[in-house]
Amino acid sequence: GAGVSQSPSNKVTEKGKDVELRCDPISGHTALYWYRQSLGQGLEFLIYFQGNSAPDKSGLPSDRFSAERTGGSVSTLTIQRTQQEDSAVYLCASSLAESEQYFGPGTRLTVT
Amino acid sequence: RKEVEQDPGPFNVPEGATVAFNCTYSNSASQSFFWYRQDCRKEPKLLMSVYSSGNEDGRFTAQLNRASQYISLLIRDSKLSDSATYLCVVDRWSSASKIIFGSGTRLSIRP
Repeated sequence: GAGVSQSPSNKVTEKGKDVELRCDPISGHTALYWYRQSLGQGLEFLIYFQGNSAPDKSGLPSDRFSAERTGGSVSTLTIQRTQQEDSAVYLCASSLAESEQYFGPGTRLTVT
Repeated sequence: RKEVEQDPGPFNVPEGATVAFNCTYSNSASQSFFWYRQDCRKEPKLLMSVYSSGNEDGRFTAQLNRASQYISLLIRDSKLSDSATYLCVVDRWSSASKIIFGSGTRLSIRP
């Protein structure tokens, strides 16, 4: 069956521009997570959705980062006024409640 | 103390060796435990869940020690293809975000 998909797979943007990253979770998965991972580093939790609500936004690094989820399915992570330190791989994962997470292939963001 | 701690490694072992990693967690109320593997420049993939009674999947054995609050992963007869980073995952039972990942243990199998 279809897994988690993310788009775009790669994004190069200029410093100061806004970007939108998209995640399509596995159908029926109620929980959705966003992480980012810099080269050679561990996963950094950003935000968690249960359905359309986000009970935990504690990982968002600044108010330039926001995310939404609509219809209990697709989620969009938006980064405004991108900075070079935002360059990383952004990973999305989905799961049934309190169960193992399945990851998408990630979006590699490069801010020049 | 970090919620989930792993030895970052790297572990560098010869093919065919047995290797074991531990992962400690701080929340005694945690209920769900997993091991993931992550290959270089790839997304993490679920390797196995960790059950209270311990579980085995081929060359891989996972154990849970609730008293000492750690989980372990044992890999027997290691293959070159086992080279990866192994991530320990624990639920945060009292927290809305539910799941926390360790920073990973890097394993390199040499011929």
